[in-house]
Amino acid sequence: GQQLNQSPQSMFIQEGEDVSMNCTSSSIFNTWLWYKQEPGEGPVLLIALYKAGELTSNGRLTAQFGITRKDSFLNISASIPSDVGIYFCAGQLSGGGSNYKLTFGKGTLLTVNP
Amino acid sequence: DGGITQSPKYLFRKEGQNVTLSCEQNLNHDAMYWYRQDPGQGLRLIYYSQIVNDFQKGDIAEGYSVSREKKESFPLTVTSAQKNPTAFYLCAIGRYNEQFFGPGTRLTVL
Repeated sequence: GQQLNQSPQSMFIQEGEDVSMNCTSSSIFNTWLWYKQEPGEGPVLLIALYKAGELTSNGRLTAQFGITRKDSFLNISASIPSDVGIYFCAGQLSGGGSNYKLTFGKGTLLTVNP
Repeated sequence: DGGITQSPKYLFRKEGQNVTLSCEQNLNHDAMYWYRQDPGQGLRLIYYSQIVNDFQKGDIAEGYSVSREKKESFPLTVTSAQKNPTAFYLCAIGRYNEQFFGPGTRLTVL
């Protein structure tokens, strides 16, 4: 199956810094989702995006649906230690029909130093 | 308490044995999914079901089987034909284009 290109693979940052990560694809998506996964747990949905150019916030998190529909970005402002985890992007391909299958990136491992 | 439950959290089996992982939901969603996660990898789709008594293969269905006899339940069997079964298994339910995950089952085959 197709994979999304998610970068960076990992990040080490200091508490208080801002973080940016992104996902890109050669195909057009009609939905972009961002998840956070903590060790040993299932991913938790953070933000869902449905329209090209859409910018959505959830607390300190902001995500955007790229205007080309082939990419998406997630920003975390003023990071705190509990932001540690793996962040995944996921998308539904345009023309994917009604099966609602998602394609996932490989994740960005975020470490925050207090 | 509403949500998605997976049991057990940890599961150990000897090589050559079949094992069934449970996934239950009380959110009344039609679509359910099974994913496999390996270290450093994204989630790979094993099987999915959009309605009772119907399911489709995902990207890595070989060595796995599922059933969907009830809307609430979508058990996954890891058969002895699966060559590398040790992994973290995640069940999800779907609502339109969004999916919500259970807590996962870590399967270790010795």
